[in-house]
Amino acid sequence: EVQLVESGGGLVQPGGSLRLSCAASGFTFSSYWMSWVRQAPGKGLEWVANIKQDEGKVYYVESVKGRFTISRDNAKNSLYLQMNSLRAEDTAVYYCARVDYDGSGYCDSWGQGTLVTVSS
Amino acid sequence: DIQMTQSPSTLSASVGDRVTITCRASQSISSWLAWYQQKPGKAPKLLIYKASSLESGVPSRFSGSGSGTEFTLTISSLQPDDFATYYCQQYNGYPITFGQGTRLEIK
Repeated sequence: EVQLVESGGGLVQPGGSLRLSCAASGFTFSSYWMSWVRQAPGKGLEWVANIKQDEGKVYYVESVKGRFTISRDNAKNSLYLQMNSLRAEDTAVYYCARVDYDGSGYCDSWGQGTLVTVSS
Repeated sequence: DIQMTQSPSTLSASVGDRVTITCRASQSISSWLAWYQQKPGKAPKLLIYKASSLESGVPSRFSGSGSGTEFTLTISSLQPDDFATYYCQQYNGYPITFGQGTRLEIK
């Protein structure tokens, strides 16, 4: 069974940093693109970033470019999101998700999410 | 960026009804479209990919159609478990974008 478990969320002040982690199990992590998707309170889904199997390609939504970094450690079956220069508008539940096997872009498995709150 | 627009934003229906949700893309995305279901406090769940392919384990009352810029998600006979919010997502290119969501509520 595919399992994705996010951690690292919490309360952080504007301008601060946070690192999210996602522990993957139940599948060959190194064979899949991975994704971070967020959802602000009461709002819709927003794609944040994707990373290729070997970290050879990464993509970001414009609003986080230069502030967020997606990475992975295939030996540890883990996905990360380093978030710097956080803003109030980054407040959201952050979901780790597995991208389909072909790397097309849709997400076929999701974690339960971790809440990030940016506030003073 | 490709904008995805869903309609309606809210839909009231009864158990047993046939319902259709529409998703329009601001430019052609071929068939690179997925549909997700989300219940309050839960992660999204994949229902349909490549516009019309049913994800394994998803009931056959769910179906998707369309290509280019216009897509639909149809639930043939609503069940109590189907009341949720539905999102479309295009993955034709980056940035990946979602529709704003359609809340399906009990009439």
